[in-house]
Amino acid sequence: DVVMTQSPLSLPVTLGEPASISCRSSQGLVHIDGNTYLSWFQQRPGQSPRRLIYRVSKRDSGVPDRFSGSGSGTEFTLKISRVEAEDVGVYYCMQGTHWTTFGQGTKLEIK
Amino acid sequence: DVQLLESGGGLIQPGGSLRLSCAGSGFNFSTHAMSWVRQAPGKGLEWVSSIRSGGIGTFYADSVKGRFTISRDNSRNTVDLQMNSLRAEDTAVYYCAKDATAIRGAELDSWGQGTLVSVSS
Repeated sequence: DVVMTQSPLSLPVTLGEPASISCRSSQGLVHIDGNTYLSWFQQRPGQSPRRLIYRVSKRDSGVPDRFSGSGSGTEFTLKISRVEAEDVGVYYCMQGTHWTTFGQGTKLEIK
Repeated sequence: DVQLLESGGGLIQPGGSLRLSCAGSGFNFSTHAMSWVRQAPGKGLEWVSSIRSGGIGTFYADSVKGRFTISRDNSRNTVDLQMNSLRAEDTAVYYCAKDATAIRGAELDSWGQGTLVSVSS
């Protein structure tokens, strides 16, 4: 199984400051079809997950442009340019190239 | 808008069976793979199972293989998860998720609100 390792697991951030979450996969995530199936999800307290980013860097409709994704190979990053109060929650990376596995989650809180 | 509505959760004894159902609307159900993902209390997300758009082609996590069966009825826009031989470690909120493609759970772009399954004596 492909293991997804996120860091940090806890991320206290001051409002208006940037935040960055790293996700490392145990294998490369380029599918035989040429796509890299790496997504990022946000789960606010008491809510179901919501996809923010797919195929490494494509933002879903309605997602603020302060969220961005990048990376390649086995190293991927989710960045929030300026954290807002509504960004509090847990963030997960997910790979869909070799079956489907999730990272452990990163809990973002306001300092 | 895409809507996914899960049902069928509840309290069940170890060794028992439960059938979850997910009704999809707001999209062309028959052209999308569907998946189930679970989340144990206070824990992270775990992929459980996926089914291709036409129903031929099913996939399972090792933790549920041989005990869970996924199926779909494209005439009713539903996807089910039959769970047998339930264990305490199956206790979780079970989410139904729509895939962006027809193939499998590679891109889960919409999720339901979830249904809670509690396995306890």
